[in-house]
Amino acid sequence: QLQLQESGPGLVKPSETLSLTCSVSGASISSSTYYWGWIRQPPGKGLEWIGTIFYSGSTYYNPSLESRVTISVDTSKSQFSLRLNSVTAADTAVYYCARGDNGSKLQIDYWGQGILVTVSS
Amino acid sequence: DIQMTQSPSSLSASVGDRVTITCRASQYISNYLNWYQQKPGKAPKLLIFAASSLQSGVPSRFSGSGSGTDFTLTISSLQPEDFATYYCQQSYSTLSITFGQGTRLEIK
Repeated sequence: QLQLQESGPGLVKPSETLSLTCSVSGASISSSTYYWGWIRQPPGKGLEWIGTIFYSGSTYYNPSLESRVTISVDTSKSQFSLRLNSVTAADTAVYYCARGDNGSKLQIDYWGQGILVTVSS
Repeated sequence: DIQMTQSPSSLSASVGDRVTITCRASQYISNYLNWYQQKPGKAPKLLIFAASSLQSGVPSRFSGSGSGTDFTLTISSLQPEDFATYYCQQSYSTLSITFGQGTRLEIK
């Protein structure tokens, strides 16, 4: 059974860097069948796609966040990570890591439980 | 970016009702349209992918249809556990995946 688990600080100061890690178990993070990504949800609001990384290492980011975002994979640890620079209060959200199906219509078939990150001094 | 617009934004219905939620894309997306259900405090759950394919384990009362720019999610007979928020999502543009704003389904 696939499991995704987000980890990282729950509180980040304005202008600093938000760093989260997603640990993957029950599936190979190196498989070409899947991609890995991050989605966030501000309190009481809808879902916002942050970015995606494919097995090839190719990354795609939300244009509104692209200048501040980096997603990377560490296959040796079966983890992928999110870095978001220069955060503000608007970046306060529940951050989800997720797996997508690269062989169909890129649907997101597994989600982590989510981690609340608050940006505040 | 491809914009996804759901309607209605909220909906009140009763157990046993048939409910339809619509999602419109700002440009052609073929059948790269997925539907998710989210309950409070939980991660979203995939219901429908490729516009009309039922995800494994999802009850058959859920169905999806559409192609191009207009799509629908139908729940044939609402059950108590179906009251949640529903999101559509386009994956046609790999460069920029986008979600609809959500439809909150409440008990009447």
